[in-house]
Amino acid sequence: DAGVTQTPRHEVAEKGQTIILKCEPVSGHNDLFWYRQTKIQGLELLSYFRSKSLMEDGGAFKDRFKAEMLNSSFSTLKIQPTEPKDSAVYLCASSRDWGAEQYFGPGTRLTVL
Amino acid sequence: QQQVRQSPQSLTVWEGETAILNCSYEDSTFDYFPWYRLFPGESPALLIAIRPVSNKKEDGRFTIFFNKREKKLSLHITDSQPGDSATYFCAATPNTGNYKYVFGAGTRLKVIA
Repeated sequence: DAGVTQTPRHEVAEKGQTIILKCEPVSGHNDLFWYRQTKIQGLELLSYFRSKSLMEDGGAFKDRFKAEMLNSSFSTLKIQPTEPKDSAVYLCASSRDWGAEQYFGPGTRLTVL
Repeated sequence: QQQVRQSPQSLTVWEGETAILNCSYEDSTFDYFPWYRLFPGESPALLIAIRPVSNKKEDGRFTIFFNKREKKLSLHITDSQPGDSATYFCAATPNTGNYKYVFGAGTRLKVIA
Protein backbone atom coordinates (compact mmCIF):
# COMPACT_ATOMS: atom_id res chain seq x y z
CA ASP A 1 0.00 0.00 0.00
CA ALA A 2 1.25 3.49 -0.77
CA GLY A 3 2.01 5.64 2.23
CA VAL A 4 1.58 9.39 2.47
CA THR A 5 3.23 11.19 -0.42
CA GLN A 6 4.33 14.79 -0.45
CA THR A 7 5.64 17.01 -3.21
CA PRO A 8 7.93 18.70 -3.71
CA ARG A 9 10.56 17.30 -1.35
CA HIS A 10 12.48 20.55 -1.40
CA GLU A 11 11.36 24.09 -2.16
CA VAL A 12 13.33 27.30 -2.23
CA ALA A 13 11.37 30.53 -2.36
CA GLU A 14 12.09 34.22 -2.30
CA LYS A 15 10.50 36.28 0.45
CA GLY A 16 7.02 37.34 -0.61
CA GLN A 17 6.41 34.47 -3.01
CA THR A 18 3.46 32.10 -2.91
CA ILE A 19 4.22 28.43 -2.58
CA ILE A 20 1.92 25.43 -2.65
CA LEU A 21 2.78 22.15 -1.01
CA LYS A 22 0.94 18.97 -1.95
CA CYS A 23 -0.04 15.85 -0.04
CA GLU A 24 -1.74 12.58 -0.88
CA PRO A 25 -2.91 10.67 2.22
CA VAL A 26 -3.06 6.93 2.66
CA SER A 27 -6.05 5.60 0.76
CA GLY A 28 -9.05 5.15 3.03
CA HIS A 29 -7.82 7.42 5.78
CA ASN A 30 -10.37 9.92 7.02
CA ASP A 31 -8.10 12.35 8.84
CA LEU A 32 -5.36 14.53 7.38
CA PHE A 33 -2.95 16.73 9.27
CA TRP A 34 -0.45 19.40 8.24
CA TYR A 35 2.46 20.10 10.60
CA ARG A 36 5.45 22.39 10.63
CA GLN A 37 8.60 20.88 12.09
CA THR A 38 11.32 23.06 13.59
CA LYS A 39 14.11 22.29 16.04
CA ILE A 40 12.77 24.76 18.59
CA GLN A 41 9.03 24.08 18.48
CA GLY A 42 9.07 20.47 17.39
CA LEU A 43 5.89 19.61 15.52
CA GLU A 44 3.25 22.35 15.31
CA LEU A 45 -0.21 21.52 13.99
CA LEU A 46 -1.20 23.79 11.11
CA SER A 47 -4.44 22.20 9.91
CA TYR A 48 -6.60 19.17 10.51
CA PHE A 49 -9.23 17.75 8.13
CA ARG A 50 -11.77 15.09 8.90
CA SER A 51 -13.45 13.60 5.86
CA LYS A 52 -12.35 16.65 3.85
CA SER A 53 -13.87 19.11 6.35
CA LEU A 54 -11.51 21.56 8.02
CA MET A 55 -11.73 20.97 11.76
CA GLU A 56 -8.70 22.93 12.95
CA ASP A 57 -7.12 25.82 11.14
CA GLY A 58 -4.05 26.29 13.26
CA GLY A 59 -4.92 29.49 15.10
CA ALA A 60 -1.76 31.56 14.89
CA PHE A 61 -1.03 30.27 11.40
CA LYS A 62 -4.28 31.48 9.90
CA ASP A 63 -3.20 34.65 8.20
CA ARG A 64 -0.68 33.39 5.67
CA PHE A 65 -1.28 29.65 5.72
CA LYS A 66 -4.23 28.05 4.02
CA ALA A 67 -4.82 24.32 3.71
CA GLU A 68 -7.43 22.85 1.41
CA MET A 69 -8.71 19.38 0.72
CA LEU A 70 -10.70 19.29 -2.49
CA ASN A 71 -11.10 15.53 -2.45
CA SER A 72 -10.33 12.67 -0.11
CA SER A 73 -7.05 11.86 -1.81
CA PHE A 74 -5.40 15.26 -2.19
CA SER A 75 -4.60 18.25 -0.02
CA THR A 76 -2.63 21.44 -0.50
CA LEU A 77 -0.99 23.88 1.87
CA LYS A 78 -0.53 27.39 0.51
CA ILE A 79 1.79 29.87 2.16
CA GLN A 80 1.25 33.40 0.93
CA PRO A 81 3.34 35.50 1.17
CA THR A 82 6.32 33.53 2.38
CA GLU A 83 8.70 34.91 4.98
CA PRO A 84 12.18 33.69 5.98
CA LYS A 85 10.80 32.50 9.33
CA ASP A 86 8.66 30.01 7.41
CA SER A 87 11.78 28.00 6.61
CA ALA A 88 11.09 24.55 8.07
CA VAL A 89 10.06 21.04 7.18
CA TYR A 90 6.34 20.73 6.45
CA LEU A 91 4.87 17.33 7.20
CA CYS A 92 1.59 15.85 6.11
CA ALA A 93 0.10 12.92 8.01
CA SER A 94 -3.05 10.87 7.75
CA SER A 95 -4.88 8.45 10.02
CA ARG A 96 -7.92 6.21 9.83
CA ASP A 97 -9.67 8.12 12.57
CA TRP A 98 -9.07 10.57 15.40
CA GLY A 99 -6.71 9.01 17.92
CA ALA A 100 -5.48 6.33 15.54
CA GLU A 101 -1.85 6.09 14.48
CA GLN A 102 -0.76 8.89 12.22
CA TYR A 103 1.28 8.01 9.15
CA PHE A 104 3.63 10.76 8.11
CA GLY A 105 4.83 11.67 4.67
CA PRO A 106 8.50 12.37 3.85
CA GLY A 107 8.01 16.10 4.30
CA THR A 108 8.80 19.15 2.22
CA ARG A 109 11.86 21.13 3.26
CA LEU A 110 11.10 24.80 2.59
CA THR A 111 13.79 27.44 2.51
CA VAL A 112 12.73 31.06 2.21
CA LEU A 113 15.48 33.47 1.29
CA GLN B 1 3.58 28.49 25.37
CA GLN B 2 4.25 24.79 25.12
CA GLN B 3 1.30 22.68 26.22
CA VAL B 4 3.45 19.58 26.07
CA ARG B 5 6.96 19.92 27.44
CA GLN B 6 9.76 17.46 26.98
CA SER B 7 13.05 17.13 28.80
CA PRO B 8 15.87 16.87 28.38
CA GLN B 9 16.28 18.53 25.02
CA SER B 10 19.08 16.10 24.25
CA LEU B 11 20.35 13.01 25.98
CA THR B 12 23.43 10.85 25.52
CA VAL B 13 23.70 7.40 27.05
CA TRP B 14 26.04 4.45 26.66
CA GLU B 15 24.95 1.29 24.95
CA GLY B 16 23.17 -0.95 27.45
CA GLU B 17 22.04 1.87 29.73
CA THR B 18 18.44 2.92 30.29
CA ALA B 19 17.45 6.19 28.63
CA ILE B 20 14.70 8.14 30.36
CA LEU B 21 12.79 10.75 28.38
CA ASN B 22 10.36 12.98 30.22
CA CYS B 23 7.13 14.61 29.15
CA SER B 24 4.64 16.82 30.99
CA TYR B 25 1.40 18.45 29.96
CA GLU B 26 -1.02 21.08 31.19
CA ASP B 27 -4.43 20.28 29.75
CA SER B 28 -6.28 17.82 31.98
CA THR B 29 -8.56 16.86 29.09
CA PHE B 30 -5.67 15.18 27.30
CA ASP B 31 -6.27 11.46 27.41
CA TYR B 32 -4.17 9.87 24.72
CA PHE B 33 -0.39 10.11 24.72
CA PRO B 34 1.51 8.68 21.75
CA TRP B 35 5.26 8.78 21.40
CA TYR B 36 6.66 9.16 17.91
CA ARG B 37 10.23 8.44 16.89
CA LEU B 38 12.05 10.32 14.16
CA PHE B 39 15.22 8.93 12.62
CA PRO B 40 17.39 11.42 10.69
CA GLY B 41 16.22 11.68 7.11
CA GLU B 42 12.97 9.84 7.78
CA SER B 43 9.43 10.71 8.88
CA PRO B 44 8.05 10.41 12.42
CA ALA B 45 6.53 7.03 13.17
CA LEU B 46 4.43 5.87 16.08
CA LEU B 47 6.51 4.02 18.68
CA ILE B 48 4.20 3.42 21.63
CA ALA B 49 1.15 5.08 23.17
CA ILE B 50 -0.78 5.11 26.45
CA ARG B 51 -4.20 6.12 27.70
CA PRO B 52 -4.76 7.23 31.32
CA VAL B 53 -6.73 4.09 32.20
CA SER B 54 -3.36 2.54 32.94
CA ASN B 55 -0.19 3.94 34.44
CA LYS B 56 2.21 1.74 32.52
CA LYS B 57 2.51 0.52 28.97
CA GLU B 58 5.28 -1.81 27.89
CA ASP B 59 6.42 -2.89 24.44
CA GLY B 60 9.71 -4.75 24.38
CA ARG B 61 12.46 -2.42 25.56
CA PHE B 62 10.13 0.59 25.57
CA THR B 63 7.98 1.44 28.59
CA ILE B 64 5.79 4.44 29.29
CA PHE B 65 5.22 5.37 32.92
CA PHE B 66 2.24 7.66 33.45
CA ASN B 67 1.36 9.82 36.46
CA LYS B 68 -2.04 11.38 35.90
CA ARG B 69 -2.06 13.36 39.16
CA GLU B 70 1.18 15.12 38.30
CA LYS B 71 0.42 15.25 34.56
CA LYS B 72 3.72 13.64 33.79
CA LEU B 73 4.87 10.69 31.80
CA SER B 74 8.19 9.22 30.85
CA LEU B 75 9.52 6.90 28.20
CA HIS B 76 12.12 4.40 29.39
CA ILE B 77 14.31 2.67 26.85
CA THR B 78 16.14 -0.21 28.49
CA ASP B 79 19.31 -1.77 27.11
CA SER B 80 19.73 1.21 24.78
CA GLN B 81 21.24 0.45 21.38
CA PRO B 82 23.01 2.76 18.92
CA GLY B 83 20.07 2.12 16.58
CA ASP B 84 17.80 3.85 19.10
CA SER B 85 19.53 7.16 18.36
CA ALA B 86 16.73 9.41 17.13
CA THR B 87 14.46 12.24 18.17
CA TYR B 88 11.52 11.19 20.32
CA PHE B 89 8.33 13.25 20.38
CA CYS B 90 5.70 13.06 23.08
CA ALA B 91 2.22 14.05 21.90
CA ALA B 92 -1.16 14.51 23.54
CA THR B 93 -4.76 14.72 22.39
CA PRO B 94 -8.04 15.25 24.21
CA ASN B 95 -11.13 13.13 23.87
CA THR B 96 -13.58 16.01 24.05
CA GLY B 97 -14.10 16.81 20.38
CA ASN B 98 -11.62 19.66 20.69
CA TYR B 99 -9.29 18.80 17.87
CA LYS B 100 -5.97 19.59 19.42
CA TYR B 101 -3.06 17.33 18.63
CA VAL B 102 -0.09 18.74 20.49
CA PHE B 103 3.49 17.59 20.11
CA GLY B 104 6.38 18.43 22.38
CA ALA B 105 9.62 19.84 21.00
CA GLY B 106 11.29 16.45 21.13
CA THR B 107 14.26 14.85 22.87
CA ARG B 108 17.29 14.00 20.75
CA LEU B 109 18.72 10.73 22.00
CA LYS B 110 22.20 9.56 21.17
CA VAL B 111 23.36 6.11 22.18
CA ILE B 112 27.12 5.59 22.15
CA ALA B 113 28.56 2.14 21.56
